[in-house]
This record gives sequence, C-alpha cells and structure tokens, in this order.
Amino acid sequence: ETGVTQTPRHLVMGMTNKKSLKCEQHLGHNAMYWYKQSAKKPLELMFVYNFKEQTENNSVPSRFSPECPNSSHLFLHLHTLQPEDSALYLCASSQDEPSAMTEQFFGPGTRLTVL
Amino acid sequence: GQNIDQPTEMTATEGAIVQINCTYQTSGFNGLFWYQQHAGEAPTFLSYNVLDGLEEKGRFSSFLSRSKGYSYLLLKELQMKDSASYLCAVINNNDMRFGAGTRLTVKP
Repeated sequence: ETGVTQTPRHLVMGMTNKKSLKCEQHLGHNAMYWYKQSAKKPLELMFVYNFKEQTENNSVPSRFSPECPNSSHLFLHLHTLQPEDSALYLCASSQDEPSAMTEQFFGPGTRLTVL
Repeated sequence: GQNIDQPTEMTATEGAIVQINCTYQTSGFNGLFWYQQHAGEAPTFLSYNVLDGLEEKGRFSSFLSRSKGYSYLLLKELQMKDSASYLCAVINNNDMRFGAGTRLTVKP
C-alpha cells in the first residue's frame, strides 16, 4: 500500500460511453498526476496538478478531461475513447510539484479496455 | 526533441552486480529519477540525482553526469526479487519524461 488508491481497478467501455477514473491520496501531498502506460511504450505523463491547479498538460486529447476538486482527489473523465486508448492509467502523488524533485507514490492503476 | 534511452533487456546472476545505463537529450534538466516496476505492479521510487556524482542507498546506487547526459543505476548483491523493469525519468521544470525501461532478469 502506497497511500494512493484508484478505482476501478479494471474498466471495459465502449467508444460511446462516458466513464470516470478516481484517485485518492492519503499522504497529505500537494501534487497529483495522471499517467498512461501502454505495452511496449514509455510511461507517459498526461496531467500534473499542484494545489488543485493544473500545471502541465502534455498535449492530451480532449476526450480525456481531468478534474481535481481538492489536493486529495483526482478524477479522469473519459468520453468517446478510441481502442488505442486502452492502457493502464496510473495516478501518482508527491509532496510538491516535479521541479522540487520529491518522489512520487503511485497507485495500483486502472486497466482500461476500450472496445 | 526529447530522447531518453535505456537498454531494453538485461540478464544477470544472483549475487552479482549490474549497471543499467540511461542517456538523455532534453531541452532542460532539473534532475533524474530511477523507479523500479515489477510486472503487474505500479512503479516505486529508488533514487534520484540532481548534481553530478554518485548517490548510494543500500544495495542501489545512482550516478549522474549532466555534461554527458548520462546516468546509471548500480545494483549490488543481486537477489531474485530484483527481477523487474527499471525506469529512468528526467525532470524538466514540471514535465517528467520516462525512458522505455530496462527489463532485468536475475538468474540463479
């Protein structure tokens, strides 16, 4: 247990569905992240939030919509996804934003399959 | 462009020492992290370097040369449980770019 939880752990959805991924951290951290991990590809940083404000968006398609209502919770809203979006989606948190070089703690991930 | 390169796979023997290299070419640099990821699990933090030189943490050490765009992770006294993927990641302001990871197999 890293102190970062994610739900659901597995999700299968059709291309027209709308679903949300949830992440919660119990570490008192200020920064939270969404990553995408596909087979045979590097881990990709999608979004960074620091004190609830988005500080990084790595050219992620608009069908992925993040939401950070407070420093402990992070959501990823999914809409009209494509089969190539099937991947493991990892949430992470750290005490401060990446430039502060504080280690990140990862959640177990949500395995997403888009049919 | 941004490139972070690591060998794809390595094999080593239990009890031995292995060095996993990472080279990078990025537009900026704040520091470099090393993470371990066992199959089917999330990455866990191992080490980080901001300045040139060696950082030692028990059986794991990490080295950085900023002028050469080069880092390595050194694992000593290898154990079977060290079989995993090892990811290097470069921090550039608030962006974090990962290499594709090196899959290490430790054999008896």
